[in-house]
Amino acid sequence: EIVLTQSPGTLSLSPGERATLTCWASQSISSSYLAWYQLKPGQTPRLLIYGASRRAAGIPDRFSGSGSGTDFNLHISSLEPEDFAVYYCQHYDTAPALSFGGGTRVDI
Amino acid sequence: QVQLVQSGAEVTKPGASVKVSCKVSGISLTELCMHWVRLAPGKGLEWMGGLDPDDGGTIYAQKFQGRLTVTEDKATDTASMELSSLRSEDTAVYYCTTNLASFYPYYFDLWGQGTLVTVSS
Repeated sequence: EIVLTQSPGTLSLSPGERATLTCWASQSISSSYLAWYQLKPGQTPRLLIYGASRRAAGIPDRFSGSGSGTDFNLHISSLEPEDFAVYYCQHYDTAPALSFGGGTRVDI
Repeated sequence: QVQLVQSGAEVTKPGASVKVSCKVSGISLTELCMHWVRLAPGKGLEWMGGLDPDDGGTIYAQKFQGRLTVTEDKATDTASMELSSLRSEDTAVYYCTTNLASFYPYYFDLWGQGTLVTVSS
């Protein structure tokens, strides 16, 4: 079973700053099967990035994804007030099975 | 447009079972690979299980093996999940979710609105 570990647990930043969130996989995975979501209180999860670096429909270009192998990143180039939320990485395993990371909270 | 509409909130007791349904509109359920994810208070997103895209069976996270049953009623385009032997730690919002772009659940781009299940004596 592949375990995803996200860091940091909490990121405290100000609007306008750049955020970099990390997701480590316990073994090498295909970047095709790595996704990122945003979750705000009272809302449903929102797909941001799939295939490690492809933006989902309607996602602003300040969000970008990168990485391969075991190390993946979500970048937010310039934080907007609405970007303060919890972010999760997710992996699909061809076994098949799925897993989520523990999440990173981006706080003001 | 395609929508997933879940059943309403449930309050239930420890040891009991709960069934949450997810009605699909705008597309046939047979065209989707439905999965279930939950979010417990103070915890992160947790994948529970869903349809096996390779053989149409079901796949479950090891944690829920033996307690979770995922079913589909193709006649009514309704997916359901039933969780048994409930404990307080099962208090959570439960989501049905799917990938509209592919039958494989590589990622989830459509979510139900969520169903709050509260387990309390």
